[in-house]
Amino acid sequence: AQSVSQHNHHVILSEAASLELGCNYSYGGTVNLFWYVQYPGQHLQLLLKYFSGDPLVKGIKGFEAEFIKSKFSFNLRKPSVQWSDTAEYFCAVNEGNTPLVFGKGTRLSVIA
Amino acid sequence: EADIYQTPRYLVIGTGKKITLECSQTMGHDKMYWYQQDPGMELHLIHYSYGVNSTEKGDLSSESTVSRIRTEHFPLTLESARPSHTSQYLCASSETQGLFTSFFGQGTRLTVV
Repeated sequence: AQSVSQHNHHVILSEAASLELGCNYSYGGTVNLFWYVQYPGQHLQLLLKYFSGDPLVKGIKGFEAEFIKSKFSFNLRKPSVQWSDTAEYFCAVNEGNTPLVFGKGTRLSVIA
Repeated sequence: EADIYQTPRYLVIGTGKKITLECSQTMGHDKMYWYQQDPGMELHLIHYSYGVNSTEKGDLSSESTVSRIRTEHFPLTLESARPSHTSQYLCASSETQGLFTSFFGQGTRLTVV
């Protein structure tokens, strides 16, 4: 069965710092990769997704992620975080149109 | 903005009560899902449906049941709530063509006392 690992449980950054959140998945076949964000009190929202093509994917709010097939990784990045980026970030994967499998999430706290 | 709605948002209920968590979507998606999420943990799939009259159990064993009589409606029922059912329940639906993106409701936080 597919599994997703997010290595950082809680990340604390100062505003303007750069962000990288790790995500690794277990399956070696053709996968679809997603990052979702959950702001405090809000529903899960899609940040970005990768299906095929350019392995560097750009999403909303200045986020991007890079798919490295050889490393089974899909790390999320942002050059300069803002206080409003404080949220929980979830990496997810599926094969074809199967249900998403999620990682445990990474809580990001951005301090002024 | 996704159009998927869950009610209630919060529910505190006594042990042994029957409860139904509602989930509706207005996007015409055939595929719908229920996930269970405990604090600091990943979302676990407990039920999914690929269309009307189709329901399947997910990876996480759950005592809850679901039904899919209409495309837009996917309620989850607990016949006899127990404290171990205390959790957050998230409903989602996904596109059946294109990029298969999943959209989520705001969740129901259930507390069984």
